[in-house]
Amino acid sequence: AQSVTQPDIHITVSEGASLELRCNYSYGATPYLFWYVQSPGQGLQLLLKYFSGDTLVQGIKGFEAEFKRSQSSFNLRKPSVHWSDAAEYFCAVGAYNQGGKLIFGQGTELSVKP
Amino acid sequence: DTAVSQTPKYLVTQMGNDKSIKCEQNLGHDTMYWYKQDSKKFLKIMFSYNNKELIINETVPNRFSPKSPDKAHLNLHINSLELGDSAVYFCASSQGPGHYGYTFGSGTRLTVV
Repeated sequence: AQSVTQPDIHITVSEGASLELRCNYSYGATPYLFWYVQSPGQGLQLLLKYFSGDTLVQGIKGFEAEFKRSQSSFNLRKPSVHWSDAAEYFCAVGAYNQGGKLIFGQGTELSVKP
Repeated sequence: DTAVSQTPKYLVTQMGNDKSIKCEQNLGHDTMYWYKQDSKKFLKIMFSYNNKELIINETVPNRFSPKSPDKAHLNLHINSLELGDSAVYFCASSQGPGHYGYTFGSGTRLTVV
């Protein structure tokens, strides 16, 4: 069965430091992969997506993610974190041929220290 | 102009009541979804409609009934509310069933007391 694992429930980084959020997926074919961000009391906003092609994808707000098939990973990175990046981050995989269904990971809460 | 709007934003109700949550999108998308986010922030799909036709119906109690009067609206009616229904319910839309780039609404926080 398809699944997504985000090993880190909570991460704290200092403002200006680099960030990497981990995501591992279980999927039989080439996956469609996504990162969403949820600010407190808000809906989810799409940061970036990977369908095929270049394994390094750029997203909004200075985020990027790298697809590594050999590691079944799709980690999210940002070179310099801003205080406004504090939020919940969700990795998701598109379930093939299931009407657009997304399967989400458990989420990683990011806190940013001044 | 909000792309995907849900009403109400907060809903507090007693066990056994019936309530509805409404969702509207003005993006011209064909597909709409309901997701449930539990207290641990885990998101799980409940239903999906494509152009008013139900295409995803996950294992959800039949007390939950979605209705899509047109492709811009997807409502969720819940009968006989239980404590375990307390959660945040998100509506989302996409261009079509094969398009995963959802636009989410801001959510409805349902509290059953």
